[in-house]
Amino acid sequence: NAGVTQTPKFRVLKTGQSMTLLCAQDMNHEYMYWYRQDPGMGLRLIHYSVGEGTTAKGEVPDGYNVSRLKKQNFLLGLESAAPSQTSVYFCASSYNRQVQPQHFGDGTRLSIL
Amino acid sequence: DAKTTQPPSMDCAEGRAANLPCNHSTISGNEYVYWYRQIHSQGPQYIIHGLKNNETNEMASLIITEDRKSSTLILPHATLRDTAVYYCIVRVASGGAQKLVFGQGTRLTINP
Repeated sequence: NAGVTQTPKFRVLKTGQSMTLLCAQDMNHEYMYWYRQDPGMGLRLIHYSVGEGTTAKGEVPDGYNVSRLKKQNFLLGLESAAPSQTSVYFCASSYNRQVQPQHFGDGTRLSIL
Repeated sequence: DAKTTQPPSMDCAEGRAANLPCNHSTISGNEYVYWYRQIHSQGPQYIIHGLKNNETNEMASLIITEDRKSSTLILPHATLRDTAVYYCIVRVASGGAQKLVFGQGTRLTINP
């Protein structure tokens, strides 16, 4: 039981390049989330999904797209990377219950030059 | 969601109880108090949550004041591995997605 797995763990991009971050969970959770964390700050929600085929915007969605084609996977895409998107990205998942703790992956460290 | 206030940093000696306070004076009746922690460079880890009663699990205890305007997370016998940033979050529990709002938290350092 791996929990929440994020790939890749590290990546360096040039401005304007695109890439996709993958989040996979094996807990059969309905909900999945993408957060970003900048130095010295708390996490901020980018996008989230309440089920397969559904996505919604969080606090800081601009510049990102997401897809949830399978229940266990949640993809975060950067179509044209910008230096301001240099950050650590965390994925999380949770059950669809009234009080449901979120389980987090170990993050993807993304640098955009 | 109600705003929370935590001290930016705290120190505690190894083996002693670590008591982390959190103020949430604008909390409403249907909002829960959640605690997460983030050990350096790892993803946040859920610790405990509560509504009005005190709660205890294998990791910690949560004491919520009777007026619910503040709470304290207690790590009963702190170890060096408890050094982390601790986040207190107040959130309505509902059937919808839990859009957690992480503040800056308390950086707890456990000293040998």
